[in-house]
Amino acid sequence: NAGVTQTPKFRVLKTGQSMTLLCAQDMNHEYMYWYRQDPGMGLRLIHYSVGEGTTAKGEVPDGYNVSRLKKQNFLLGLESAAPSQTSVYFCASSYPPVNYGYTFGSGTRLTVV
Amino acid sequence: AQSVTQPDIHITVSEGASLELRCNYSYGATPYLFWYVQSPGQGLQLLLKYFSGDTLVQGIKGFEAEFKRSQSSFNLRKPSVHWSDAAEYFCAVASSGSARQLTFGSGTQLTVLP
Repeated sequence: NAGVTQTPKFRVLKTGQSMTLLCAQDMNHEYMYWYRQDPGMGLRLIHYSVGEGTTAKGEVPDGYNVSRLKKQNFLLGLESAAPSQTSVYFCASSYPPVNYGYTFGSGTRLTVV
Repeated sequence: AQSVTQPDIHITVSEGASLELRCNYSYGATPYLFWYVQSPGQGLQLLLKYFSGDTLVQGIKGFEAEFKRSQSSFNLRKPSVHWSDAAEYFCAVASSGSARQLTFGSGTQLTVLP
């Protein structure tokens, strides 16, 4: 099993450019999450999804959009990138409830210049 | 809203020494608590979790954690640290919402001296 796969692994954007980060899981998990990780701040939840076709805002949703058209995929979009969005982005998935814990992808390192 | 505090940003221990990483949480009900480890350039791996029952839980790689309700703590311990344990460690608490989102602490970086 591949688990949770994130693409791309690295990306450099110019301010104002747009991009989409893809998260794919092959474990038939219902729940999927996008977090960003910044030094000294741990992981903060951007958006999450409790099932195909559903999305919800997390702690830091501004500047991001998401879509879950297929159960196995969760896309994170940046419409107009800003330097404040320079971060490492992690996708995770889980069964409900959260007793099983999350399975994380290996991350996408995004730099906005 | 729940929150997690990891008071130690960075801890250095010698190989073979014991280890304790501190975690304090704030949550109104019985919490679901987790410890994750992150090696450089990698995602997070689940070490152990607590939901109910025995307050001392065992995890992978020889780690254990003890839930103390009176102190709102869930400290991670290991009797003898190996050089391969050098990593960043995150404590997390699950929310009461339908998606049971995890709220993470800011992490503790562990350095192991030879």
